[in-house]
Amino acid sequence: GQQVMQIPQYQHVQEGEDFTTYCNSSTTLSNIQWYKQRPGGHPVFLIQLVKSGEVKKQKRLTFQFGEAKKNSSLHITATQTTDVGTYFCAGPNSGGSNYKLTFGKGTLLTVNP
Amino acid sequence: NAGVTQTPKFQVLKTGQSMTLQCAQDMNHEYMSWYRQDPGMGLRLIHYSVGAGITDQGEVPNGYNVSRSTTEDFPLRLLSAAPSQTSVYFCASSYSPTPAWNSPLHFGNGTRLTVT
Repeated sequence: GQQVMQIPQYQHVQEGEDFTTYCNSSTTLSNIQWYKQRPGGHPVFLIQLVKSGEVKKQKRLTFQFGEAKKNSSLHITATQTTDVGTYFCAGPNSGGSNYKLTFGKGTLLTVNP
Repeated sequence: NAGVTQTPKFQVLKTGQSMTLQCAQDMNHEYMSWYRQDPGMGLRLIHYSVGAGITDQGEVPNGYNVSRSTTEDFPLRLLSAAPSQTSVYFCASSYSPTPAWNSPLHFGNGTRLTVT
């Protein structure tokens, strides 16, 4: 079945450092979504990318969708303690039922103040 | 708007007991789903529904049943609880049930289940 892989699994940074998490799919994706889950909380939608090569920015967060639509990245510039949490990417199932959204295992970001 | 409401927040079961996790949404979303989250495993889809009366299996459906009699409610039933079902369960809904996934998933606050 479709696999969505994320690296790294964990990332610890000093406040002010940059952070990047990468997402790779075993199949071409029609679109990709990113979610953030604060410790003890629930996943919250951040953004959706649809077009090949698309780049979107939300303040210090930059999201990219690869040209082949099989990979994506989330980059945070100058991390803050409020960025702590687990970041997930998710993509629609490409085979069989497309009503399934497959999540990567997530990258846990911790920030040392 | 309450969004997606899950009850209970915490539950402890003994092996073999059954229970129902409740999920309700007030956003008139057609799509609803259940995920379980385990350490290091991310979010895994258990069952989903694209509308009232329609349900289908996700990635890890064994040991769970669902039904969708109304647009608002999507309960998850554990038939005979096992320790392997110890997890955090999230219900999530979306406006668009189409494969294009033009709308995001809205998650409930989760139910933390322990089976001893």
